[in-house]
Amino acid sequence: NAGVTQTPKFQVLKTGQSMTLQCAQDMNHEYMSWYRQDPGMGLRLIHYSVGAGITDQGEVPNGYNVSRSTTEDFPLRLLSAAPSQTSVYFCASSYTPQIGELFFGEGSRLTVL
Amino acid sequence: SQQGEEDPQALSIQEGENATMNCSYKTSINNLQWYRQNSGRGLVHLILIRSNEREKHSGRLRVTLDTSKKSSSLLITASRAADTASYFCATVPFTGNQFYFGTGTSLTVIP
Repeated sequence: NAGVTQTPKFQVLKTGQSMTLQCAQDMNHEYMSWYRQDPGMGLRLIHYSVGAGITDQGEVPNGYNVSRSTTEDFPLRLLSAAPSQTSVYFCASSYTPQIGELFFGEGSRLTVL
Repeated sequence: SQQGEEDPQALSIQEGENATMNCSYKTSINNLQWYRQNSGRGLVHLILIRSNEREKHSGRLRVTLDTSKKSSSLLITASRAADTASYFCATVPFTGNQFYFGTGTSLTVIP
């Protein structure tokens, strides 16, 4: 099993550009989520999904869009990149938060110039 | 913000010593989990403790939970250089479907 796969690992964008961070899991997890990690801030939840067709906002959703058309995939879209979105992004999945742990991807490091 | 907080922010110890880090949180929880992150990598789950449990062990790890004080501690015994990493607590609210992470403790184990 590959677990949680994120692409790309590194990306440089110019302000105003858009892009999609891809996330796929092969564990048949219903729960998927996106976090951003900034120095001294820990991990902050951007968006999450409890199943195909269902998404919800986390703590810091502004400037990001998600969709969940399949159980396996949960892409994160940056609509118009801003320097404040420079961060490391992690995708994570779980069977369910109430009884299971999160499995993380290796992260995507995004720089917005 | 529902983020928890860990303390200390950074901890440096000699190999063989014990390391203790603490986590405080704000809401009633279903469970609390501890994760480890090596530099430049994703987080890896270490241990989960449920709200009705007070202590849990896994190998060299010991976790305690005090729901009255909304706090948890992670003890790593007989530390090794390979334990050098950042450690995060994460809480799952009693109602809700989110994991809320703390700010992390950076542990350095000196050989």
